[in-house]
Amino acid sequence: IVLTQSPDSLAVSLGERATINCKSSQSVLDNSNNKNFLAWYQQKPGQPPKLLIYWASTRESGVPDRFSGSGSVTDFTLTISSLQAEDVAVYYCQQYYNTRTFGQGTKVEIK
Amino acid sequence: EVQLLESGGGLVQPGGSLRLSCAASGFTIGSYAMSWVRQAPGKGLEWVSSISIAGSTYYADSVKGRFTISRDISKNTLYVQMNSLRAEDTAVYYCAKTIGDTRPYYSDYWGQGTLVTVSS
Repeated sequence: IVLTQSPDSLAVSLGERATINCKSSQSVLDNSNNKNFLAWYQQKPGQPPKLLIYWASTRESGVPDRFSGSGSVTDFTLTISSLQAEDVAVYYCQQYYNTRTFGQGTKVEIK
Repeated sequence: EVQLLESGGGLVQPGGSLRLSCAASGFTIGSYAMSWVRQAPGKGLEWVSSISIAGSTYYADSVKGRFTISRDISKNTLYVQMNSLRAEDTAVYYCAKTIGDTRPYYSDYWGQGTLVTVSS
């Protein structure tokens, strides 16, 4: 399964919305339990990745509620509702429906 | 507190071997899936290998037949044996605690990584 993120980078003003898309080459929806096998991670420079979202829309404990995930089947979105300075990072989607693969990453910067 | 500490990285010649270790604390690795994920310098994340709670192993096509993931539950340590190393294996290797019952899903805790450089 190939995951393609868009855009590769984006610059957003503080307090504005940032939207990152992730398109899968095939469905990651398990119809038996209606779960999308997709996660989102944040990676800041010099740090390991941090889990933000799993099952496409479930926020990890401790993650601010300005982060939200949506989508189903092959098209997914990570939204940062009001960008903060500490959100500058690279964001990755990852599917775990068939082994595991990551998207190429989206770099988020401050405009 | 969950902690993961990778070790064993370094400089190795093409064709050589290296074994990475990941010492876990704060949880029992036998109760969770575990994974290795790598990141080449300036590049994105690449899943390498995972081991399920039951001990089933999974590999990316790029390392299949060359890398072997294993664990020692008594030492609470994860390993990856890397053979026939190539220049394209140069990366920071992360160990990650992975959620998944029958098979590995997503990773909720990550180590700081260990750098492997394959060069003559």
